[in-house]
Amino acid sequence: NAGVTQTPKFRVLKTGQSMTLLCAQDMNHEYMYWYRQDPGMGLRLIHYSVGEGTTAKGEVPDGYNVSRLKKQNFLLGLESAAPSQTSVYFCASRPARETYEQYFGPGTRLTVT
Amino acid sequence: AQSVTQLDSQVPVFEEAPVELRCNYSSSVSVYLFWYVQYPNQGLQLLLKYLSGSTLVKGINGFEAEFNKSQTSFHLRKPSVHISDTAEYFCAVSHSFLFGGYNKLIFGAGTRLAVHP
Repeated sequence: NAGVTQTPKFRVLKTGQSMTLLCAQDMNHEYMYWYRQDPGMGLRLIHYSVGEGTTAKGEVPDGYNVSRLKKQNFLLGLESAAPSQTSVYFCASRPARETYEQYFGPGTRLTVT
Repeated sequence: AQSVTQLDSQVPVFEEAPVELRCNYSSSVSVYLFWYVQYPNQGLQLLLKYLSGSTLVKGINGFEAEFNKSQTSFHLRKPSVHISDTAEYFCAVSHSFLFGGYNKLIFGAGTRLAVHP
């Protein structure tokens, strides 16, 4: 199993450009999450999904949209990138409700100039 | 509301010395507690977790943590560190699914452990 994979690994955007980050998991997990990591702030939850076709807002959802059209994929979109969205983005997934561990992808480093 | 405080942003230590990374949490409901490790330029990997039962939890790479409900703490310890333990360590809390939390993890700001020869 590849686990949780993220595409791309690095990206540089200009202010106002749009992009989509892809997260894929091959573990048949129900729940998926998008976090951003900023120095001194740990990880903060952007959006999450508890199943195919469902999404919900986390702590810092503004400026981001998500979609979960297929169970194995969770997309994070930036419609109009801003320098404040410069960050490292992590995707995570989790199996059945009795297990609480989240499995993380390797991250995407995004710079917005 | 839940929150997690990691009391030290950086911890320098010499190789083979013991180390303790401190974590305190606040929550009005029962919680589950986790320590994750992030090696340079990598994602997060679970070190250990406390869900219930014994308050002393053993994890990978020789780490252990003790859950103290009265002090709302979950400190991480290792009796003898190696150079390879140099990484950033995150404490995280989640409350029971039964309370409708959908296992949202709340992370501390992280502690950077630097092991020197």
